[in-house]
Amino acid sequence: DAGITQSPRHKVTETGTPVTLRCHQTENHRYMYWYRQDPGHGLRLIHYSYGVKDTDKGEVSDGYSVSRSKTEDFLLTLESATSSQTSVYFCAISESDPWSNEQFFGPGTRLTVL
Amino acid sequence: AQSVTQLDSHVSVSEGTPVLLRCNYSSSYSPSLFWYVQHPNKGLQLLLKYTSAATLVKGINGFEAEFKKSETSFHLTKPSAHMSDAAEYFCVVSDRGGGNKLTFGTGTQLKVEL
Repeated sequence: DAGITQSPRHKVTETGTPVTLRCHQTENHRYMYWYRQDPGHGLRLIHYSYGVKDTDKGEVSDGYSVSRSKTEDFLLTLESATSSQTSVYFCAISESDPWSNEQFFGPGTRLTVL
Repeated sequence: AQSVTQLDSHVSVSEGTPVLLRCNYSSSYSPSLFWYVQHPNKGLQLLLKYTSAATLVKGINGFEAEFKKSETSFHLTKPSAHMSDAAEYFCVVSDRGGGNKLTFGTGTQLKVEL
């Protein structure tokens, strides 16, 4: 298995609080991604990073921010959590651009916003 | 713009019978296509990928898929289902026009019965 860990694995929080999810990789891959998975929607890209301090928005980026200060860590922050952000969040990595290359996925973080 | 449609949200087969999971795609460029599998409470794992080489692609665990440009399809098949194949399957498309991004289908839940 690719060396990807996510923390925490489960979190329950209240509306309006900030939340930070962490993705850590040991593969030294350049690209890192945050997705959310919701029933009937598959996986949708929130943000991605193509290098340290280089990030870009995905299709569902509103209400989320990211940071990547080191190759191995990619943080996802919910600035003020809402119930619509209750979801399962997956981090993924790829060695080069995903146009033809496999993405490796972490185990996921289940977030519940009450 | 790229998109992908998985034609069945649920498929049920008997153990030992063939599996067919259907996927149609739309792409402005020559696409790369992937099938990923997700077992319960796990991250996604790559089954196989097509990246403009042979149109019949063989993957892990006996799965294969055929790229048919004229039909814009990339259906996943397996000759004989096993109980361990029960999982959710995602068809994924990526093309150069989509940038560093994958577009996921909404998933097909495969049930395998004795």
